[in-house]
Amino acid sequence: AQSVSQHNHHVILSEAASLELGCNYSYGGTVNLFWYVQYPGQHLQLLLKYFSGDPLVKGIKGFEAEFIKSKFSFNLRKPSVQWSDTAEYFCAVTSGGYNKLIFGAGTRLAVHP
Amino acid sequence: DAGITQSPRHKVTETGTPVTLRCHQTENHRYMYWYRQDPGHGLRLIHYSYGVKDTDKGEVSDGYSVSRSKTEDFLLTLESATSSQTSVYFCAINGQTNTEAFFGQGTRLTVV
Repeated sequence: AQSVSQHNHHVILSEAASLELGCNYSYGGTVNLFWYVQYPGQHLQLLLKYFSGDPLVKGIKGFEAEFIKSKFSFNLRKPSVQWSDTAEYFCAVTSGGYNKLIFGAGTRLAVHP
Repeated sequence: DAGITQSPRHKVTETGTPVTLRCHQTENHRYMYWYRQDPGHGLRLIHYSYGVKDTDKGEVSDGYSVSRSKTEDFLLTLESATSSQTSVYFCAINGQTNTEAFFGQGTRLTVV
């Protein structure tokens, strides 16, 4: 069965620091990949998605992710974080048809001013 | 935001009582899902629906049932709530292949 691993459970950064959050998935076939963000007390919102084409995907709020098929990875990056990026970030992959999503355990990001 | 409404938003219930959570969408999307969110586990799929009266089990379906009698409504029922079902429940919708899911605001359920 498909699974998703997020390597960092908690990340603490200062404003303007660079961010990279790791995500690996287990199934090597055709997959759709997503990063969602959950701000405190809110629902999940889509940051970016990859279906096909250019493996470097740009999302909202300056985030980007790179799909590396050989490494089964889809890492999230941002060159300079802001206090408002404090949130929980989830990597997800579709699995088994009907657009069902398998999520990683999430990474809590705290950005200090 | 996508037109998804979950009700109730918060509920406290006693062990052994039945509980029904409702998800209502105004997007006419075919696919609907129920997830639960627990610390350290991310979101896990409980049940999903791919059409009216068409539902199937997800990863953590034990103790839960669902129904979808109309395109816009997807109900999640805990037949006899247990403390292990204390969680935040999210409904999601998706329109078609190769599109992203949209999530509701969530329902925080506490079983005491």
